[in-house]
Amino acid sequence: NAGVTQTPKFQVLKTGQSMTLQCAQDMNHEYMSWYRQDPGMGLRLIHYSVGAGITDQGEVPNGYNVSRSTTEDFPLRLLSAAPSQTSVYFCATNRAGGYGEQFFGPGTRLTVL
Amino acid sequence: AQRVTQPEKLLSVFKGAPVELKCNYSYSGSPELFWYVQYSRQRLQLLLRHISRESIKGFTADLNKGETSFHLKKPFAQEEDSAMYYCALSQIISSGSARQLTFGSGTQLTVLP
Repeated sequence: NAGVTQTPKFQVLKTGQSMTLQCAQDMNHEYMSWYRQDPGMGLRLIHYSVGAGITDQGEVPNGYNVSRSTTEDFPLRLLSAAPSQTSVYFCATNRAGGYGEQFFGPGTRLTVL
Repeated sequence: AQRVTQPEKLLSVFKGAPVELKCNYSYSGSPELFWYVQYSRQRLQLLLRHISRESIKGFTADLNKGETSFHLKKPFAQEEDSAMYYCALSQIISSGSARQLTFGSGTQLTVLP
């Protein structure tokens, strides 16, 4: 089993461009989430989903959209990239309800010029 | 508001010395606390959780509700312990249907030879 996978691993964008960060899991977990990791700030929750068809905002949702059409996939869309979105992005999953251990993907390092 | 504080951004100790990584939290409910670790070029992974009360890789952490702390300790540090350590608090989201993690800002531990 692959666990949690993320693509791409690295991405460079120009200001104003849009893109989608992909996240997929084969653990049959209901709960999925996206974080951004910035130096000195730890991990901050962007959006999360408690199941297919259900998403909600986390601590820092502005500039990002998500959807959850299947249990396996939880893509993160940057609508109009800004330099402030330069960060490392992690996708994570939990069993139902977000209880217990979270399992993380390898991360996507995004640079916005 | 729920909050996790890790006061040390950087911590260096010599091999064989004891190490303590501090974590304090604020939460109005019954806390569920975790320590996650990120080794160089690897994804975040769970190190331990307070309810299991187990020792992983020689690390232990005791929940002190009176002092609202969950410090991570190891009596004899090893070079392979060098990593970024995050304390995290699991809290019930506003709808009550699930939980989400709030992370501290992290402590970079370096174990010197």
